[in-house]
Amino acid sequence: NAGVMQNPRHLVRRRGQEARLRCSPMKGHSHVYWYRQLPEEGLKFMVYLQKENIIDESGMPKERFSAEFPKEGPSILRIQQVVRGDSAAYFCASSPGANEQYFGPGTRLTVT
Amino acid sequence: AQSVTQLDSHVSVSEGTPVLLRCNYSSSYSPSLFWYVQHPNKGLQLLLKYTSAATLVKGINGFEAEFKKSETSFHLTKPSAHMSDAAEYFCVVTLVAAAGNKLTFGGGTRVLVKP
Repeated sequence: NAGVMQNPRHLVRRRGQEARLRCSPMKGHSHVYWYRQLPEEGLKFMVYLQKENIIDESGMPKERFSAEFPKEGPSILRIQQVVRGDSAAYFCASSPGANEQYFGPGTRLTVT
Repeated sequence: AQSVTQLDSHVSVSEGTPVLLRCNYSSSYSPSLFWYVQHPNKGLQLLLKYTSAATLVKGINGFEAEFKKSETSFHLTKPSAHMSDAAEYFCVVTLVAAAGNKLTFGGGTRVLVKP
């Protein structure tokens, strides 16, 4: 059983470009969470999704950020018009619905 | 509301000596508590979890943690540090019955192991 997969592992974008981060949950998991880790900080919750539904987006910035988890395919975290402050590690976690969340290796976004 | 405070941002120990990482939490309801470890440029690995069963929880790699409700603490210990324990450790709290179970992370404790 493959773990949570994220790609790309590293992403470099210039200011103003778009960033798309992908997360494939573990097989059988229908709950996906996105977290952001700024340098020298802990992870902060961004959004919680189930298939085709956003359940909790209380941690998402109000503008430029969006997330989806379609019926088929990976979950996508999309950042439009990136700025330097978006540089961070973005982690995805999946869960079968119980307490435990399994984390992917993360995508490290660098905005130049 | 819930929050987690890791009392030490950095801990330095010698190989073979005990490790203690301190964590205090605040939660309005019965919490679930976790410790995760993150090695440099890697994802997070679950070390152990507390979910209202035994208060002393044993995890992987010789780590254990004790839930103390009266002190709202969940400190992580290991009797003898190994070089491979050098990493960042996160104490995490979530609500047992909350929909979505979003995790609240502490600020992390970076562990340095000296030979």
